[in-house]
Amino acid sequence: SQQGEEDPQALSIQEGENATMNCSYKTSINNLQWYRQNSGRGLVHLILIRSNEREKHSGRLRVTLDTSKKSSSLLITASRAADTASYFCATVAEYGNKLVFGAGTILRVKS
Amino acid sequence: DTGVSQDPRHKITKRGQNVTFRCDPISEHNRLYWYRQTLGQGPEFLTYFQNEAQLEKSRLLSDRFSAERPKGSFSTLEIQRTEQGDSAMYLCASSLGVFGGARNTEAFFGQGTRLTVV
Repeated sequence: SQQGEEDPQALSIQEGENATMNCSYKTSINNLQWYRQNSGRGLVHLILIRSNEREKHSGRLRVTLDTSKKSSSLLITASRAADTASYFCATVAEYGNKLVFGAGTILRVKS
Repeated sequence: DTGVSQDPRHKITKRGQNVTFRCDPISEHNRLYWYRQTLGQGPEFLTYFQNEAQLEKSRLLSDRFSAERPKGSFSTLEIQRTEQGDSAMYLCASSLGVFGGARNTEAFFGQGTRLTVV
């Protein structure tokens, strides 16, 4: 079963704009990870945030985590057409052995 | 190191036939995972191995599915008596260490095998 729920399901923006995707989950976690998937391809790891962290940055990516609300957000700044992809959050339970994925957000960046 | 590789990339089979997929993980990774992904959904966990030991299987993995990882290197996923509902992308991933441990462990995914059962 999938733990994470992403919001929105789909997002369409212009190049240069920021994109924000949200993820909610149900159980306590050790960490939360974001992955990107280009159409019909495998997933690529973007960023990991641990349960004791509140915010993390990597290049144009910013991730926040609110464990009290069991939610996370991924912000992509100054989006590019190449950012067009599906984005998934995945949670890892405390002492967990696997990633549990949400249903994903489809991002389309128009040039 | 060329990453995680999966073979074949695409497979079309008739209902009732058996199929086998192969995954070659990153060589030093001790953990290997199989996921299934249907259109518009996120990957769903099927099973994982630590070295050659299969440590967890999802309820999704019916008795028609079997996975092996002999010698702790490559892995195979076999589906017997395929059904149309088995049509999906089958993803393999590997990692060095435990996701829920003290290290920041990420998964490295292959390109997947897309199965179509007709």
